[in-house]
Amino acid sequence: GQNIDQPTEMTATEGAIVQINCTYQTSGFNGLFWYQQHAGEAPTFLSYNVLDGLEEKGRFSSFLSRSKGYSYLLLKELQMKDSASYLCAVVDSNYQLIWGAGTKLIIKP
Amino acid sequence: GAVVSQHPSRVICKSGTSVKIECRSLDFQATTMFWYRQFPKQSLMLMATSNEGSKATYEQGVEKDKFLINHASLTLSTLTVTSAHPEDSSFYICSAGGADRAFQPQHFGDGTRLSIL
Repeated sequence: GQNIDQPTEMTATEGAIVQINCTYQTSGFNGLFWYQQHAGEAPTFLSYNVLDGLEEKGRFSSFLSRSKGYSYLLLKELQMKDSASYLCAVVDSNYQLIWGAGTKLIIKP
Repeated sequence: GAVVSQHPSRVICKSGTSVKIECRSLDFQATTMFWYRQFPKQSLMLMATSNEGSKATYEQGVEKDKFLINHASLTLSTLTVTSAHPEDSSFYICSAGGADRAFQPQHFGDGTRLSIL
């Protein structure tokens, strides 16, 4: 079966750095997305990785290792507004999006 | 600005009512739109893929006679929850973009929170 694993919840301090991991086992791989979802709102696109390595975009970076079936989202200089759920989603060989359950990130002052 | 508009944002109605949710792509023509449902503290669950000019493709376990999807134009898809019951209460989200074989992110509507009394 297809499976995406993320931690259920993480807590971090304002101004700090946090890394949210995502591991996947899917039938094929055509890229991995990270989305941010605030409570009661729809997801918004953060990043897309299809090649191994680190993609940096401002305070957010996303890393991919296809051989390990592993990705992480790195958030730097955390702000209170970063409190949200972060969803990892993989595009499989049929170009279907397989969604993780999301990681709820709690930022404390 | 928003590229996908979803309406209404919230619906509260009695059991047995049919509810229609609209999803519009504003800046582009979407041959494919996606309908998701999300229960509290759970991940997005794809319900169906809406194809312009043809029948929608439903995921396993989703009743196509209960969740009617119409994709009449390249900018509009509608989801009708027929004879809604309390167990249909959920957060429904549409998305567009991400053509079948293009590595484009999906753009999501703002979602519709449906509450059936």
